[in-house]
Amino acid sequence: AQSVTQLGSHVSVSEGALVLLRCNYSSSVPPYLFWYVQYPNQGLQLLLKYTSAATLVKGINGFEAEFKKSETSFHLTKPSAHMSDAAEYFCAVSDLSQGAQKLVFGQGTRLTINP
Amino acid sequence: GAGVSQSPSNKVTEKGKDVELRCDPISGHTALYWYRQSLGQGLEFLIYFQGNSAPDKSGLPSDRFSAERTGGSVSTLTIQRTQQEDSAVYLCASSPWGAGGSYNEQFFGPGTRLTVL
Repeated sequence: AQSVTQLGSHVSVSEGALVLLRCNYSSSVPPYLFWYVQYPNQGLQLLLKYTSAATLVKGINGFEAEFKKSETSFHLTKPSAHMSDAAEYFCAVSDLSQGAQKLVFGQGTRLTINP
Repeated sequence: GAGVSQSPSNKVTEKGKDVELRCDPISGHTALYWYRQSLGQGLEFLIYFQGNSAPDKSGLPSDRFSAERTGGSVSTLTIQRTQQEDSAVYLCASSPWGAGGSYNEQFFGPGTRLTVL
């Protein structure tokens, strides 16, 4: 079975600082990997996805993530944090077992931006 | 175009009552998913519909939970005899379906927040 571990349930950075949210996955087959963002009282919005093409994936709002097979990681980064980045972020892996494409999510990381 | 919509946005019920949660997927999307987001369990898959195929119910936590999808469009998630541990945000997502097993993005609705007193 596939699984995702997000290191750090809460991350706090200063405005303008580097954002790094960590995600490690477990998968017996080449995975599809995703980062979703959830703003307060809203649904999930896809930030970016890895589907076995380029290992460095660029997403919306200046975020990017790098797939590292040797480290089984898919960490999310943004060079300079903005106040509007405050939200909860979820890493997910796609489970293709039995034909379903359900997402398996990590526990989430709440990102706080300090002025 | 319109996204995935869910109703109600909030539902408060008493323990033991039945509740129905509704999801309207994006028009033309053949796949529909239900997820649950709770403090203790995080985000977890509940059930998946794809076209006319039998649904994947592997994530439903108990037989009190059921879902149907009428006419390949609207879906209803029903929870019978609600318990306090059912309190959570229930998220619906839909996606188009592609050939060859390729992944297609899931688009999420805003969710229904269920509170069981």
